[in-house]
Amino acid sequence: GAGVSQSPRYKVAKRGQDVALRCDPISGHVSLFWYQQALGQGPEFLTYFQNEAQLDKSGLPSDRFFAERPEGSVSTLKIQRTQQEDSAVYLCASNGPGDTEAFFGQGTRLTVV
Amino acid sequence: GQQLNQSPQSMFIQEGEDVSMNCTSSSIFNTWLWYKQDPGEGPVLLIALYKAGELTSNGRLTAQFGITRKDSFLNISASIPSDVGIYFCAGRYIGNEKLTFGTGTRLTIIP
Repeated sequence: GAGVSQSPRYKVAKRGQDVALRCDPISGHVSLFWYQQALGQGPEFLTYFQNEAQLDKSGLPSDRFFAERPEGSVSTLKIQRTQQEDSAVYLCASNGPGDTEAFFGQGTRLTVV
Repeated sequence: GQQLNQSPQSMFIQEGEDVSMNCTSSSIFNTWLWYKQDPGEGPVLLIALYKAGELTSNGRLTAQFGITRKDSFLNISASIPSDVGIYFCAGRYIGNEKLTFGTGTRLTIIP
């Protein structure tokens, strides 16, 4: 597709359930970012990949959060044993060699009940 | 996590009015960006600023990179209904890829 694609768009999880959120970056984009946006707040950085290498994971809030990008394209953000405070929109962004700034996807809204 | 101070938090204006919002940080940034986010969508880049003192326009939008590197403002002239949304500033440190976002300014146009 033309843009960054995220799936699912909406996810409802019961507390304690594991979830996996997918990001398909723009084809050929080397850099990929995950951000978490709580209701009424700005996005907050979670982690950054360059190709398959996770170069910065300083924003991951706990060891329940794990991200991977094994082949340097699609990325998955996994949250284990979800808690209510994990409820947020999870945004993915990517940029390529010719881009100065990243393009954001529409996000996945996670609601933990 | 850290968020930049953005003001005002919300604005209620009439169509045709000019708008001004700003963003401040306790830290020095080397890049300032301004985004707009519509409901259910991801942020869309409006203006990017890369040099202290830089003033850049994009149509009716004008943004400036503060000379101290700790602030930036965004002006919108002659607002129209499609300007409604939430505006975020974001800063980036040199040698670092991640963005630090502001708390957002919600713009509403009163009929």
